[in-house]
Amino acid sequence: ETGVTQSPTHLIKTRGQQVTLRCSSQSGHNTVSWYQQALGQGPQFIFQYYREEENGRGNFPPRFSGLQFPNYSSELNVNALELDDSALYLCASSGTDGYTFGSGTRLTVV
Amino acid sequence: DQQVKQNSPSLSVQEGRISILNCDYTNSMFDYFLWYKKYPAEGPTFLISISSIKDKNEDGRFTVFLNKSAKHLSLHIVPSQPGDSAVYFCAASAQRDDKIIFGKGTRLHILP
Repeated sequence: ETGVTQSPTHLIKTRGQQVTLRCSSQSGHNTVSWYQQALGQGPQFIFQYYREEENGRGNFPPRFSGLQFPNYSSELNVNALELDDSALYLCASSGTDGYTFGSGTRLTVV
Repeated sequence: DQQVKQNSPSLSVQEGRISILNCDYTNSMFDYFLWYKKYPAEGPTFLISISSIKDKNEDGRFTVFLNKSAKHLSLHIVPSQPGDSAVYFCAASAQRDDKIIFGKGTRLHILP
């Protein structure tokens, strides 16, 4: 299996709800990073997981949390959604050959 | 605090001419720099990178130049083609497998 797959591709949630986004890693990659890309901005680093442990975190509140599974796939969970959480969420897996990004999940909070 | 800055939100270039996209960075710990290209509804795709031990890296029509003393890098595309129209992100990391910090991007339009 090659490439990074993210699901769902689009999602609409109500303010205050919780959301889980999923990402499958590219074969051979053991590190997963999550990014938030707001409209007109570059991707902002949320956190990175290496072998199921958090390995660095950006400037995001604790309501953004994640998991990495033994097969190196990953989840991003966001609690108590706010309108400003509306963005494209990108997952990237990485290994010795560099980063591979998924196509992202477009989250809209209303 | 933007550690990676792309000060031109957009750039229009005639097909066949050279496109030059610029990027500045502030963190002197960065030693690996990348350019990504992004089309709508797709994730960023890796274009070209350069390590801080080099000042130039070339791959086909794409060349990246690094000026460490000025903390500046640029991407040259020559000749520019219609398929080059996309958003280009400059990015940097402290190590090759460390987290990547992105700029805000420059939207490149190649004019016929």
